[in-house]
Amino acid sequence: GAGVSQTPSNKVTEKGKYVELRCDPISGHTALYWYRQSLGQGPEFLIYFQGTGAADDSGLPNDRFFAVRPEGSVSTLKIQRTERGDSAVYLCASSQNSWTDTQYFGPGTRLTVL
Amino acid sequence: AQSVTQPDIHITVSEGASLELRCNYSYGATPYLCWYVQSPGQGLQLLLKYFSGDTLVQGIKGFEAEFKRSQSSFNLRKPSVHWSDAAEYFCAVAPQTGANNLFFGTGTRLTVIP
Repeated sequence: GAGVSQTPSNKVTEKGKYVELRCDPISGHTALYWYRQSLGQGPEFLIYFQGTGAADDSGLPNDRFFAVRPEGSVSTLKIQRTERGDSAVYLCASSQNSWTDTQYFGPGTRLTVL
Repeated sequence: AQSVTQPDIHITVSEGASLELRCNYSYGATPYLCWYVQSPGQGLQLLLKYFSGDTLVQGIKGFEAEFKRSQSSFNLRKPSVHWSDAAEYFCAVAPQTGANNLFFGTGTRLTVIP
């Protein structure tokens, strides 16, 4: 079946602009995660959804970052007033339900803030 | 707080040679541990995971890992490396508390020479 998809694959924006990154999880997966991967680093946890609600948003770096999952499937990560330091690959993952279930990752969105 | 250390930034092995990638974690209880591989242009793919039971875990592509509580380690091994194994390898840990937010190491880049 289809895996996790993310759009766009690349996004270039200017400092101060607003961006939205989209994640389509595997159908039926109730858990959805956002991570950020900077160059030369491992993925860094941002936020975790169980269904429609954000179960843990402790990884969001500041209030410029926000994510939603209104119908419990597709999720959107929103970044306001982008800064050059936000440049990274944003990864989305989904898992079926339980904490032991495998997280399946999407290909990521590469965000470049000029 | 949980953390993961991958002491080797870059490893080079000859094709057909054995491989061991090191991973040490810091966490009080038995965590959920896993290894992911990231090939250029590819998403993160789970190789194997451990959360209980037999401490020697078999994964895909001929990889295995052994959980050693006394050493707080979860090293990844493969008896004979193939050129297609060249990639970035990430060890990750999560607390067994119901929320599977993965904390990743910084990765080990594997180069395979003919």
